[in-house]
Amino acid sequence: GNSVTQMEGPVTLSEEAFLTINCTYTATGYPSLFWYVQYPGEGLQLLLKATKADDKGSNKGFEATYRKETTSFHLEKGSVQVSDSAVYFCALSETNQAGTALIFGKGTTLSVSS
Amino acid sequence: GAVVSQHPSRVICKSGTSVKIECRSLDFQATTMFWYRQFPKQSLMLMATSNEGSKATYEQGVEKDKFLINHASLTLSTLTVTSAHPEDSSFYICSARPTGGPGYTFGSGTRLTVV
Repeated sequence: GNSVTQMEGPVTLSEEAFLTINCTYTATGYPSLFWYVQYPGEGLQLLLKATKADDKGSNKGFEATYRKETTSFHLEKGSVQVSDSAVYFCALSETNQAGTALIFGKGTTLSVSS
Repeated sequence: GAVVSQHPSRVICKSGTSVKIECRSLDFQATTMFWYRQFPKQSLMLMATSNEGSKATYEQGVEKDKFLINHASLTLSTLTVTSAHPEDSSFYICSARPTGGPGYTFGSGTRLTVV
């Protein structure tokens, strides 16, 4: 079945450090890929997405490129801020139909200190 | 943009009682909604897919008689945790995917504590 594997956390960085959170997936077809962020005590917010191979999603300084050859969708940011401290979830959707649920990775906790 | 409203945000109930959680799509129609459960410091696990006007589809291992789902209209799905026990304490989140929208929209979640 479809699945998402994320690097284990927590990830602890100093402000302005470079961030990479690895994500790989297993899917039977050509899924859409997402990164969601969950700030403490809140629900999930879409951070970025990519719907086909070689697409790059970007938002708020975060980027991720859909790599079909390596089945990866790693999240990167060049310079993290304290406000980026949150839990980040990689997810996939097997189809673009409304009735298809998201499959999540286990989440990676990021802590950024000043 | 597409908004999903979830209520209540927090609820504490006594063991053996039932709790209803509502999930509403405010500015779009949702023929399908998804219910997830999140344990502390863990990922979101899909519990069931709620279908308007028909029975919900439950994931393996989820008790359908314990977690009752009703999707009676195109804008409202409810999850009722029946005869709640402390092990049901968790964070429950609903989600929907507006047609033609940017992606999935999530409710703000419900923190259920069973004492």
